[in-house]
Amino acid sequence: QVQLQESGPGLVKPSQTLLLSCNVSGDSIAGGDYLWGWVRQSPAKGLEWLGYIFDTGSTFYSPAFRGRLTMSVDTSKNQFSLRLTSLTAADTATYFCSRGACGGGSCFPGDHWGRGMLVTVS
Amino acid sequence: SYELTQPPSVSVFPGQTARITCSGDAFPQQYVYWYQQKPGQAPLLVIFRNTERPSGIPERFSGSSSGTTVTLTIAGVRADDEADYYCLSADHSATYKVFGPGTKVTVL
Repeated sequence: QVQLQESGPGLVKPSQTLLLSCNVSGDSIAGGDYLWGWVRQSPAKGLEWLGYIFDTGSTFYSPAFRGRLTMSVDTSKNQFSLRLTSLTAADTATYFCSRGACGGGSCFPGDHWGRGMLVTVS
Repeated sequence: SYELTQPPSVSVFPGQTARITCSGDAFPQQYVYWYQQKPGQAPLLVIFRNTERPSGIPERFSGSSSGTTVTLTIAGVRADDEADYYCLSADHSATYKVFGPGTKVTVL
């Protein structure tokens, strides 16, 4: 059974950098069959797509976060990570990692998600 | 920035049909995906590529597309269908995704 689990700090100070990891079990990131992404949710903005990364390291980011957002993958640890810089209170949200898929020329967050991790910037 | 439009809320009685629309300028060139989210839970994919249903999703959930509007239909609504529903699609260049603002479905 595929499981994803977010980890990282629950509280970060403004202007600092957030580093979150998503540990994957039950599937191999290196398999190349899927992509791995991040979505966040806040009461003010609802669901926000942040981006995703392939096992090759190829990335796609939301333009709303370009310049602040970096994703990486560590196939040896079977985990992928998110790095978000210059945090403000507006970055306070629940961050979800997910496994996605591609088909028909389109990729999307798919069938497996982490439970989400609340990150507060204060 | 690219935006999708959804009605804020839809209310239906049990057994009736709920229809949730999602509109975007890049439709029909870009596929639409639908997610159901209940409080305290991660989103659940219920429709992908406009009309396809993942395994395990009841046949009561269906998707359709007409021009710049895509519709999620829930037939024979049940109490446990009460949730927020979000559409997801890509901008014209297909380089990034955006979620719609979400529609709260209330079962009366």
